[in-house]
Amino acid sequence: GESVGLHLPTLSVQEGDNSIINCAYSNSASDYFIWYKQESGKGPQFIIDIRSNMDKRQGQRVTVLLNKTVKHLSLQIAATQPGDSAVYFCAEGNYGQNFVFGPGTRLSVLP
Amino acid sequence: DSGVTQTPKHLITATGQRVTLRCSPRSGDLSVYWYQQSLDQGLQFLIQYYNGEERAKGNILERFSAQQFPDLHSELNLSSLELGDSALYFCASSVGGGPIGSYNSPLHFGNGTRLTVT
Repeated sequence: GESVGLHLPTLSVQEGDNSIINCAYSNSASDYFIWYKQESGKGPQFIIDIRSNMDKRQGQRVTVLLNKTVKHLSLQIAATQPGDSAVYFCAEGNYGQNFVFGPGTRLSVLP
Repeated sequence: DSGVTQTPKHLITATGQRVTLRCSPRSGDLSVYWYQQSLDQGLQFLIQYYNGEERAKGNILERFSAQQFPDLHSELNLSSLELGDSALYFCASSVGGGPIGSYNSPLHFGNGTRLTVT
């Protein structure tokens, strides 16, 4: 089927290496952030979230870092696997407004 | 599996026609959100319903409308279709009624309906 975001920035990493996907958000009032993973033919899948009163949050093989000073969010994936290949979206929001999704980054895991 | 069910998976129709997309939220979720995703654009928020009532509106065209029924399933109606309406349409659900769901209960997406207007 068609791919989402044909002209998305692409990050290529070797299997087993760590991946870092970055996201610049736009609204300094945003206080809740989420990373989603979207595989071909599927809907976005929740990975990890973080509130603005935190700088870092860890999940299984994933870590989200938040730098409010420069409005920057990153997703770190440890020991990247072929199954991690997908498009990754960040989303920002605050109460009273709906989520705004970033344009996405395509992660390609090389064997 | 997110627990959100969307039907149909694919829809091909002609310009000027009207279609209805259906969404069943996760069990226990009261909010339903509709998003549009085009090839060159990210996820665009269309509309949100909470427990049967419209809660928030995004960039939804007047030709589009939605509703949420007492059993909490939702339908998105697209009418007078144009070529530019071709896109993936996603439904998401969450427990909370806030615009972004609740912390620790973010949006959970279905696998979408791919609409092709010819």
